[in-house]
Amino acid sequence: DQQVKQNSPSLSVQEGRISILNCDYTNSMFDYFLWYKKYPAEGPTFLISISSIKDKNEDGRFTVFLNKSAKHLSLHIVPSQPGDSAVYFCAASEDGNKLVFGAGTILRVKS
Amino acid sequence: KAGVTQTPRYLIKTRGQQVTLSCSPISGHRSVSWYQQTPGQGLQFLFEYFSETQRNKGNFPGRFSGRQFSNSRSEMNVSTLELGDSALYLCASSPGSAWNYEQYFGPGTRLTVT
Repeated sequence: DQQVKQNSPSLSVQEGRISILNCDYTNSMFDYFLWYKKYPAEGPTFLISISSIKDKNEDGRFTVFLNKSAKHLSLHIVPSQPGDSAVYFCAASEDGNKLVFGAGTILRVKS
Repeated sequence: KAGVTQTPRYLIKTRGQQVTLSCSPISGHRSVSWYQQTPGQGLQFLFEYFSETQRNKGNFPGRFSGRQFSNSRSEMNVSTLELGDSALYLCASSPGSAWNYEQYFGPGTRLTVT
């Protein structure tokens, strides 16, 4: 039973446009959420996080939105750049416990 | 500061063999976690070590084990390898004990079981 789901295996976006990556979760006890980016042949790198007490966190071109009632979070990248092409994983944690990852979404930004 | 290093980077083993993977965390980091990544499954948590003690464990069979040394370096062992164990094994370190610290991942060890 996947507690964290990324239902879109891939997403293709034009350079300069907005990329929106979505993530749904089932465990209402999750209280901390993170996004990681992974390039081929490299390990995932931390991108941005959000606590369950917030509904938005912004860092440069990256913004994460959390909708607790819908158990949904999204990552917005504006404007998208070719270098953003990677696999994006969302992850969730309950009370400082282990991280649960989604299956990932492949983002391709076309120039 | 050097990042997380994992050795070896690639490994080919035969069914029934056993394998040991190594992870050196970022200097000063005391928590080391291991993940298995397979296509379509994302990263599956194996276990976490903090100060030489296993603190969290995922839902993997007992063939998967690990340990952490006093210098925080960690090893993961898989015994009686099965074809389904073919995956990218990632190690991640973090400075503290809470999971809301972002984790720093190594490049992974690609294990192929034939």
